[in-house]
Amino acid sequence: DGGITQSPKYLFRKEGQNVTLSCEQNLNHDAMYWYRQDPGQGLRLIYYSQIVNDFQKGDIAEGYSVSREKKESFPLTVTSAQKNPTAFYLCASSPVGVLAKNIQYFGAGTRLSVL
Amino acid sequence: KNEVEQSPQNLTAQEGEFITINCSYSVGISALHWLQQHPGGGIVSLFMLSSGKKKHGRLIATINIQEKHSSLHITASHPRDSAVYICAVRNGQNFVFGPGTRLSVLP
Repeated sequence: DGGITQSPKYLFRKEGQNVTLSCEQNLNHDAMYWYRQDPGQGLRLIYYSQIVNDFQKGDIAEGYSVSREKKESFPLTVTSAQKNPTAFYLCASSPVGVLAKNIQYFGAGTRLSVL
Repeated sequence: KNEVEQSPQNLTAQEGEFITINCSYSVGISALHWLQQHPGGGIVSLFMLSSGKKKHGRLIATINIQEKHSSLHITASHPRDSAVYICAVRNGQNFVFGPGTRLSVLP
């Protein structure tokens, strides 16, 4: 089945540690996104990528890094510089282009907590 | 002021009730989406609207472009409709999300 797979479902980070969240899609979508969700707030964009080997900062990129070496994969690293990383992280993908349906497809999310 | 606002923030209804969730936005948009987030966190897209009205089963979504307002209606609500409903607008290449409305439907 086509879809977006995020792993792990739950992740714990120690002080000063970098952790990487995985996002893989087999929908052949060009664009991929990472969002952060905090209680009572809308999803906020961390990074997005519209094509392989290119990505752009979103609204809250500080303390995060990404790579897009393959079309299918868009991993997110939460670095030690991110002082408040506890949140629910969602990955999404969408087709691009004039005929694109403008619909984003979401993964099941990763819940990150600080030990 | 948030670019996308939703009301109410929380909503509790009895099974069978007609439910309305509202979304107002302040930015120019090319499309508006209604999303459903289940308790486990997964998000599914319910509707994409650029004008008028769409219906899918017991769900109806409307949009008024001039007033920058959209509503999501659920007829004959059921406990399995309990979820967070999120309004999102497409502004350029990216999306702006509302804070969500948490709906609980009691049996």
